[in-house]
Amino acid sequence: AQSVTQLGSHVSVSEGALVLLRCNYSSSVPPYLFWYVQYPNQGLQLLLKYTTGATLVKGINGFEAEFKKSETSFHLTKPSAHMSDAAEYFCAVSLSDYKLSFGAGTTVTVRA
Amino acid sequence: NAGVTQTPKFRILKIGQSMTLQCTQDMNHNYMYWYRQDPGMGLKLIYYSVGAGITDKGEVPNGYNVSRSTTEDFPLRLELAAPSQTSVYFCASSYRGQTEAFFGQGTRLTVV
Repeated sequence: AQSVTQLGSHVSVSEGALVLLRCNYSSSVPPYLFWYVQYPNQGLQLLLKYTTGATLVKGINGFEAEFKKSETSFHLTKPSAHMSDAAEYFCAVSLSDYKLSFGAGTTVTVRA
Repeated sequence: NAGVTQTPKFRILKIGQSMTLQCTQDMNHNYMYWYRQDPGMGLKLIYYSVGAGITDKGEVPNGYNVSRSTTEDFPLRLELAAPSQTSVYFCASSYRGQTEAFFGQGTRLTVV
């Protein structure tokens, strides 16, 4: 069985501060890992993904994530938050060929 | 570029009524999915399809049915609507499993 845990349902950061969203997964085999972002009243869009190869993955809008197998983690970071980063973020894991399992989501608020 | 299109965007149903949520994609993707999103719960897979004529249950299939007669369309049928089916429903598609999934804008359904 696979599961995804996102630590913290809400994160509040100041504009210009570091954004750190935590994601841990449980799996006995290396998974494919994804981060999606959802803006209000919209669908999800892909921020970045890890399949194989380099463990530091860069995505859109200045986000990046690092796959750490020893810690079963895939934390998402952005060095400097912008007001437009306010959204809900989902970590997702895929082991099998067809299913994505999603975490519960983390809502990011950016303070001016 | 249309991508994944869902209709309707909003709907209010009375208990016991039935309806079909429509989903179509123009990317020639083989894989299509239906998810429901509830606050604090992330996204749960209802049904998925790996190609025309092939469908299978996800994590929460009870109360729903699907069909896949063409590559483009993947409608979700609710029979005998119940308040527990109040949710936001997302359709998604991907070229194959473990690749990026593209999401529709969602259908917000309320059962009263």
